[in-house]
Amino acid sequence: GENVEQHPSTLSVQEGDSAVIKCTYSDSASNYFPWYKQELGKRPQLIIDIRSNVGEKKDQRIAVTLNKTAKHFSLHITETQPEDSAVYFCAASMGGTASKLTFGTGTRLQVTL
Amino acid sequence: GAVVSQHPSWVICKSGTSVKIECRSLDFQATTMFWYRQFPKQSLMLMATSNEGSKATYEQGVEKDKFLINHASLTLSTLTVTSAHPEDSSFYICSTRTGGGNTIYFGEGSWLTVV
Repeated sequence: GENVEQHPSTLSVQEGDSAVIKCTYSDSASNYFPWYKQELGKRPQLIIDIRSNVGEKKDQRIAVTLNKTAKHFSLHITETQPEDSAVYFCAASMGGTASKLTFGTGTRLQVTL
Repeated sequence: GAVVSQHPSWVICKSGTSVKIECRSLDFQATTMFWYRQFPKQSLMLMATSNEGSKATYEQGVEKDKFLINHASLTLSTLTVTSAHPEDSSFYICSTRTGGGNTIYFGEGSWLTVV
């Protein structure tokens, strides 16, 4: 089955700096890659996603890049703010309503003042 | 938009008892729902895939007789933790997709504490 690795496990940046989180996946059939932000005790919130027919996607301060050949994708957050502090998870799926998500191990992002 | 509702939000039960968690799709019919478990400071691990009108598909290492899943209608899936033990204490969360879409919708999650 699919295996998703995520690095780093913790990341501390100063407010205004950029943060980058990287994930690799194992199954070349995966074609949908969402990123989630999870605050303590709450459900994961989708922040951005990318499909395998796209190499990059941007939404304001957040961007995701995908390298299908290398089977890795990354989350980029620019101009970080304290409210960006949370745990971020990448995930991979083969798409379709019956396809499950395989999550990465998570990255705890701390944005300091 | 599509909403997935999960109840209860938190529950405390005694060892040896059973607890049922419900997951409802409010705006759409969900033929497939996914149940995840998340231990503190860990990732979400898929437990099983719930299929409406048929048996659930369990991930390797998940005891199907302990974690009973029922998906009797297109809007409701339930997870029953039977003979609960303290090590079953965790955050349980359901999710589903709308038909034809890739976007996953999560329930609010249920905190289970077994004492």
